[in-house]
Amino acid sequence: NAGVTQTPKFQVLKTGQSMTLQCAQDMNHEYMSWYRQDPGMGLRLIHYSVGAGITDQGEVPNGYNVSRSTTEDFPLRLLSAAPSQTSVYFCASSYGGRASTGELFFGEGSRLTVL
Amino acid sequence: GDSVTQMEGPVTLSEEAFLTINCTYTATGYPSLFWYVQYPGEGLQLLLKATKADDKGSNKGFEATYRKETTSFHLEKGSVQVSDSAVYFCALSFHGSGNTGKLIFGQGTTLQVKP
Repeated sequence: NAGVTQTPKFQVLKTGQSMTLQCAQDMNHEYMSWYRQDPGMGLRLIHYSVGAGITDQGEVPNGYNVSRSTTEDFPLRLLSAAPSQTSVYFCASSYGGRASTGELFFGEGSRLTVL
Repeated sequence: GDSVTQMEGPVTLSEEAFLTINCTYTATGYPSLFWYVQYPGEGLQLLLKATKADDKGSNKGFEATYRKETTSFHLEKGSVQVSDSAVYFCALSFHGSGNTGKLIFGQGTTLQVKP
């Protein structure tokens, strides 16, 4: 019963390093998205995808890159980490189409610290 | 644009007290409304949802009614327990053909229940 799986759960980076947060879902959901959670700001959308090969920017896309080569996977790349990217990152997926309720299913989160 | 506003926390209650967390929204069209809960150190879980006006979502003793006339979706519970201590997020999205796989979140309300 995996659902949405994120790795790693914890990561410490130095400023300027790059890394990829992995996200995989086994529910055959069309839609996937990445959010960051910061104190007092709720969750803010970074990037999202409505299907393999299709991605778009959310509210806070700068400094992040995504691709979606398969339905199951949606990795988030930090190109050159900055202290402002210290946050908790959540991947989510959902059904698309007319029957959907709009509900998102979340992974357990990845806590990133940039020194 | 579409947005969600929820009451600021933290909210501190004694066990068995009555809980209300206010949530109002602004949206073009007719969104689905959600309450998600985040227990300490965990990801987000769906608590309850409502997809149309006057619907009442309920789960684990929590309830919220979709009020179109006041654009509200307040969360209530008659008797809170220590185990309800968590962060609660109100959110909206669009369902059916309006679904874009994105949730718009409020800033979150921290609930602390003391024995």
